Amino acid sequence: NAGVMQNPRHLVRRRGQEARLRCSPMKGHSHVYWYRQLPEEGLKFMVYLQKENIIDESGMPKERFSAEFPKEGPSILRIQQVVRGDSAAYFCASSQRQSVFGETQYFGPGTRLLVL
Amino acid sequence: AQKITQTQPGMFVQEKEAVTLDCTYDTSDQSYGLFWYKQPSSGEMIFLIYQGSYDEQNATEGRYSLNFQKARKSANLVISASQLGDSAMYFCAMRETIQGAQKLVFGQGTRLTINP
Repeated sequence: NAGVMQNPRHLVRRRGQEARLRCSPMKGHSHVYWYRQLPEEGLKFMVYLQKENIIDESGMPKERFSAEFPKEGPSILRIQQVVRGDSAAYFCASSQRQSVFGETQYFGPGTRLLVL
Repeated sequence: AQKITQTQPGMFVQEKEAVTLDCTYDTSDQSYGLFWYKQPSSGEMIFLIYQGSYDEQNATEGRYSLNFQKARKSANLVISASQLGDSAMYFCAMRETIQGAQKLVFGQGTRLTINP
Protein backbone atom coordinates (compact mmCIF):
# COMPACT_ATOMS: atom_id res chain seq x y z
CA ASN A 1 0.00 0.00 0.00
CA ALA A 2 1.81 3.07 -1.25
CA GLY A 3 2.02 6.04 1.05
CA VAL A 4 1.48 9.67 0.18
CA MET A 5 3.43 10.56 -2.95
CA GLN A 6 4.84 13.96 -3.70
CA ASN A 7 6.78 15.17 -6.66
CA PRO A 8 9.13 16.60 -7.39
CA ARG A 9 11.20 16.02 -4.26
CA HIS A 10 13.36 19.01 -5.06
CA LEU A 11 12.47 22.01 -7.19
CA VAL A 12 14.63 24.97 -8.12
CA ARG A 13 13.04 28.07 -9.57
CA ARG A 14 14.24 31.58 -10.37
CA ARG A 15 12.37 34.55 -9.02
CA GLY A 16 9.25 35.24 -11.05
CA GLN A 17 8.77 31.68 -12.29
CA GLU A 18 5.92 29.36 -11.38
CA ALA A 19 6.19 26.34 -9.10
CA ARG A 20 3.82 23.39 -9.30
CA LEU A 21 3.88 20.83 -6.53
CA ARG A 22 1.97 17.58 -6.85
CA CYS A 23 0.54 15.27 -4.23
CA SER A 24 -1.14 11.89 -4.58
CA PRO A 25 -2.86 10.82 -1.35
CA MET A 26 -2.77 7.35 0.09
CA LYS A 27 -5.16 4.88 -1.51
CA GLY A 28 -8.62 5.29 -0.05
CA HIS A 29 -7.91 8.77 1.32
CA SER A 30 -10.05 11.63 0.09
CA HIS A 31 -8.81 14.43 2.34
CA VAL A 32 -5.64 16.34 1.47
CA TYR A 33 -3.76 18.97 3.45
CA TRP A 34 -0.82 21.15 2.51
CA TYR A 35 1.70 22.46 5.03
CA ARG A 36 4.79 24.64 4.70
CA GLN A 37 7.94 24.30 6.78
CA LEU A 38 10.47 27.11 6.88
CA PRO A 39 14.02 26.23 7.99
CA GLU A 40 14.28 25.33 11.68
CA GLU A 41 10.54 25.76 12.20
CA GLY A 42 7.50 23.58 12.66
CA LEU A 43 4.97 22.98 9.93
CA LYS A 44 2.32 25.61 9.24
CA PHE A 45 -1.07 24.69 7.80
CA MET A 46 -1.89 26.13 4.40
CA VAL A 47 -4.99 24.49 2.93
CA TYR A 48 -7.36 21.56 3.33
CA LEU A 49 -9.10 20.05 0.33
CA GLN A 50 -11.48 17.27 -0.55
CA LYS A 51 -12.13 16.15 -4.08
CA GLU A 52 -13.07 19.22 -6.15
CA ASN A 53 -13.55 21.35 -3.02
CA ILE A 54 -11.41 23.69 -0.96
CA ILE A 55 -12.62 23.25 2.61
CA ASP A 56 -10.27 25.54 4.52
CA GLU A 57 -7.67 27.84 2.98
CA SER A 58 -7.11 30.01 6.02
CA GLY A 59 -3.36 29.39 5.95
CA MET A 60 -2.83 30.27 2.30
CA PRO A 61 -1.20 33.59 1.40
CA LYS A 62 -3.74 35.81 -0.28
CA GLU A 63 -1.79 36.24 -3.47
CA ARG A 64 0.20 33.98 -5.80
CA PHE A 65 -0.77 30.72 -4.06
CA SER A 66 -3.55 28.39 -5.15
CA ALA A 67 -4.46 24.76 -4.62
CA GLU A 68 -6.74 22.25 -6.25
CA PHE A 69 -7.72 18.63 -5.86
CA PRO A 70 -9.51 17.58 -9.04
CA LYS A 71 -11.83 14.65 -9.43
CA GLU A 72 -9.10 12.78 -11.25
CA GLY A 73 -5.40 13.12 -10.61
CA PRO A 74 -3.22 14.52 -7.87
CA SER A 75 -3.67 17.60 -5.75
CA ILE A 76 -1.67 20.58 -7.03
CA LEU A 77 -0.20 23.44 -5.03
CA ARG A 78 0.67 26.26 -7.40
CA ILE A 79 2.89 29.22 -6.58
CA GLN A 80 3.01 31.96 -9.18
CA GLN A 81 5.82 34.50 -9.52
CA VAL A 82 7.91 32.88 -6.81
CA VAL A 83 10.06 35.00 -4.49
CA ARG A 84 13.01 33.97 -2.33
CA GLY A 85 10.77 33.90 0.76
CA ASP A 86 8.84 31.01 -0.81
CA SER A 87 11.87 28.76 -0.34
CA ALA A 88 10.71 26.08 2.07
CA ALA A 89 9.68 22.46 2.37
CA TYR A 90 6.09 21.85 1.32
CA PHE A 91 4.40 18.81 2.77
CA CYS A 92 1.23 17.14 1.71
CA ALA A 93 -0.75 14.92 4.08
CA SER A 94 -3.83 12.80 3.60
CA SER A 95 -6.45 11.20 5.79
CA GLN A 96 -9.24 8.76 5.21
CA ARG A 97 -12.02 10.72 6.84
CA GLN A 98 -12.73 13.36 9.45
CA SER A 99 -13.78 12.81 13.03
CA VAL A 100 -14.35 15.01 16.04
CA PHE A 101 -11.10 13.94 17.62
CA GLY A 102 -9.04 13.94 14.51
CA GLU A 103 -8.18 11.36 11.95
CA THR A 104 -4.47 10.67 11.64
CA GLN A 105 -2.83 12.53 8.80
CA TYR A 106 -0.08 10.70 6.96
CA PHE A 107 2.57 12.83 5.35
CA GLY A 108 4.39 12.60 2.07
CA PRO A 109 8.17 13.06 1.79
CA GLY A 110 7.82 16.75 0.99
CA THR A 111 8.98 18.99 -1.86
CA ARG A 112 11.97 21.22 -1.15
CA LEU A 113 11.54 24.43 -3.11
CA LEU A 114 14.55 26.66 -3.61
CA VAL A 115 14.06 30.04 -5.23
CA LEU A 116 17.22 31.59 -6.64
CA ALA B 1 -6.81 29.69 18.70
CA GLN B 2 -4.83 26.70 19.74
CA LYS B 3 -1.19 26.70 20.64
CA ILE B 4 1.47 24.04 21.07
CA THR B 5 4.63 24.67 23.07
CA GLN B 6 7.76 22.55 22.99
CA THR B 7 10.23 24.09 25.43
CA GLN B 8 13.26 21.94 24.63
CA PRO B 9 15.02 23.08 21.44
CA GLY B 10 17.57 20.27 21.81
CA MET B 11 18.08 17.13 23.88
CA PHE B 12 21.16 14.92 24.19
CA VAL B 13 20.70 11.40 25.56
CA GLN B 14 22.92 8.34 25.91
CA GLU B 15 21.94 5.30 23.91
CA LYS B 16 19.60 2.88 25.74
CA GLU B 17 18.40 5.55 28.15
CA ALA B 18 14.76 6.66 28.25
CA VAL B 19 13.95 10.19 27.11
CA THR B 20 10.96 12.46 27.66
CA LEU B 21 10.12 15.19 25.18
CA ASP B 22 7.86 17.89 26.57
CA CYS B 23 4.72 19.27 24.96
CA THR B 24 2.11 21.56 26.44
CA TYR B 25 -0.98 22.79 24.65
CA ASP B 26 -3.59 25.44 25.02
CA THR B 27 -7.14 24.97 23.81
CA SER B 28 -10.71 25.76 24.77
CA ASP B 29 -12.02 22.72 22.90
CA GLN B 30 -13.40 19.80 24.86
CA SER B 31 -12.64 17.34 22.07
CA TYR B 32 -9.24 17.32 20.47
CA GLY B 33 -6.47 15.04 19.32
CA LEU B 34 -2.75 15.16 20.02
CA PHE B 35 -0.08 13.75 17.74
CA TRP B 36 3.66 13.23 17.71
CA TYR B 37 5.67 13.12 14.50
CA LYS B 38 9.33 12.33 13.89
CA GLN B 39 11.35 14.11 11.21
CA PRO B 40 14.75 12.50 10.54
CA SER B 41 17.50 14.25 8.64
CA SER B 42 16.09 12.86 5.39
CA GLY B 43 13.15 15.22 5.92
CA GLU B 44 10.04 13.08 5.84
CA MET B 45 7.39 13.34 8.56
CA ILE B 46 6.70 10.04 10.30
CA PHE B 47 3.59 9.57 12.43
CA LEU B 48 4.46 8.10 15.84
CA ILE B 49 1.52 8.19 18.21
CA TYR B 50 -1.94 9.67 18.80
CA GLN B 51 -3.92 10.55 21.93
CA GLY B 52 -7.57 11.54 21.97
CA SER B 53 -8.75 13.97 24.61
CA TYR B 54 -11.30 11.50 25.94
CA ASP B 55 -8.94 8.54 26.02
CA GLU B 56 -8.58 7.47 29.62
CA GLN B 57 -5.40 5.52 29.11
CA ASN B 58 -2.11 6.84 27.83
CA ALA B 59 -1.38 5.83 24.26
CA THR B 60 1.49 3.42 23.59
CA GLU B 61 3.11 2.29 20.35
CA GLY B 62 6.10 0.00 20.84
CA ARG B 63 8.87 2.03 22.47
CA TYR B 64 6.78 5.20 22.30
CA SER B 65 4.29 6.23 24.94
CA LEU B 66 2.43 9.45 25.49
CA ASN B 67 2.22 10.78 29.04
CA PHE B 68 -1.12 12.58 28.83
CA GLN B 69 -1.97 14.86 31.74
CA LYS B 70 -5.19 16.57 30.75
CA ALA B 71 -5.51 18.88 33.76
CA ARG B 72 -1.99 20.19 33.15
CA LYS B 73 -2.54 20.27 29.38
CA SER B 74 0.59 18.31 28.71
CA ALA B 75 1.25 15.48 26.28
CA ASN B 76 4.85 14.42 26.70
CA LEU B 77 6.41 11.77 24.47
CA VAL B 78 8.42 9.08 26.22
CA ILE B 79 10.87 6.97 24.23
CA SER B 80 12.15 3.96 26.10
CA ALA B 81 15.51 2.31 25.45
CA SER B 82 16.66 4.97 22.98
CA GLN B 83 18.51 3.95 19.83
CA LEU B 84 20.89 5.81 17.54
CA GLY B 85 18.17 5.83 14.90
CA ASP B 86 15.96 7.89 17.19
CA SER B 87 18.10 10.95 16.49
CA ALA B 88 15.73 13.35 14.72
CA MET B 89 13.45 16.34 15.13
CA TYR B 90 10.25 15.57 17.02
CA PHE B 91 7.09 17.60 16.61
CA CYS B 92 4.03 17.68 18.81
CA ALA B 93 0.80 18.66 17.07
CA MET B 94 -2.86 19.20 17.90
CA ARG B 95 -5.87 18.78 15.66
CA GLU B 96 -7.83 22.02 15.44
CA THR B 97 -11.55 21.40 15.19
CA ILE B 98 -13.11 24.86 15.45
CA GLN B 99 -16.01 25.32 12.99
CA GLY B 100 -15.12 22.16 11.17
CA ALA B 101 -11.58 23.21 10.49
CA GLN B 102 -9.45 20.12 10.17
CA LYS B 103 -5.81 21.05 10.44
CA LEU B 104 -2.83 20.30 12.62
CA VAL B 105 -1.10 22.97 14.65
CA PHE B 106 2.55 22.13 15.25
CA GLY B 107 5.04 23.07 17.92
CA GLN B 108 8.51 24.33 17.08
CA GLY B 109 10.04 20.90 17.57
CA THR B 110 12.77 19.32 19.69
CA ARG B 111 16.00 18.07 18.14
CA LEU B 112 16.92 14.80 19.83
CA THR B 113 20.47 13.48 19.56
CA ILE B 114 21.28 9.99 20.80
CA ASN B 115 24.94 9.52 21.73
CA PRO B 116 26.60 6.11 21.49
